[in-house]
Amino acid sequence: DTAVSQTPKYLVTQMGNDKSIKCEQNLGHDTMYWYKQDSKKFLKIMFSYNNKELIINETVPNRFSPKSPDKAHLNLHINSLELGDSAVYFCASSQVRGDGTNIQYFGAGTRLSVL
Amino acid sequence: KQEVTQIPAALSVPEGENLVLNCSFTDSAIYNLQWFRQDPGKGLTSLLLIQSSQREQTSGRLNASLDKSSGRSTLYIAASQPGDSATYLCAVATYSDRGSTLGRLYFGRGTQLTVWP
Repeated sequence: DTAVSQTPKYLVTQMGNDKSIKCEQNLGHDTMYWYKQDSKKFLKIMFSYNNKELIINETVPNRFSPKSPDKAHLNLHINSLELGDSAVYFCASSQVRGDGTNIQYFGAGTRLSVL
Repeated sequence: KQEVTQIPAALSVPEGENLVLNCSFTDSAIYNLQWFRQDPGKGLTSLLLIQSSQREQTSGRLNASLDKSSGRSTLYIAASQPGDSATYLCAVATYSDRGSTLGRLYFGRGTQLTVWP
């Protein structure tokens, strides 16, 4: 079973549309993340939720809105898509252990192409 | 703000060579450092994780070292194989504003490795 799964794997859409990317983890983790990897392969964090509470919110356009219905899911909704939103979006999850360590596990990514 | 730099950006070598990939970071206040592998069109696979209190970790032909005070890490790949061809990413984990480990991962731009037969 895939630990962190994202859907869809590929998303091609027109500029101006609204789209959502879903992420689910079956690891029992209480923290989930969204990262964006741009065309130059640079990975950067966008959001993080811990127990459904937003804890990291980087400087991203407010067209991007994460939603966490429960600890196992963190969805990313994007309004009014722009050409510059084309990228690969990665979901990750983690759990802080008793010794304080925190290892993130990544999904396979969603490749978004805005035409 | 943390910045992670990886050198070289690309590396092309014949099979069998021993390789060193470099990673440097500007802020030594990290709690771990990870090396990831990314194959084209795929997600990230964690290769090695070094806690801030450790100096190195080994897994098979891979060895990663960490010098936290100087802000450097190296990934050593012994006896490289064509199957090692991928992009290797270095990421440092920072503490949150509240001092917990629920902070950020900062990634380098990666080293694209090609190993030819």
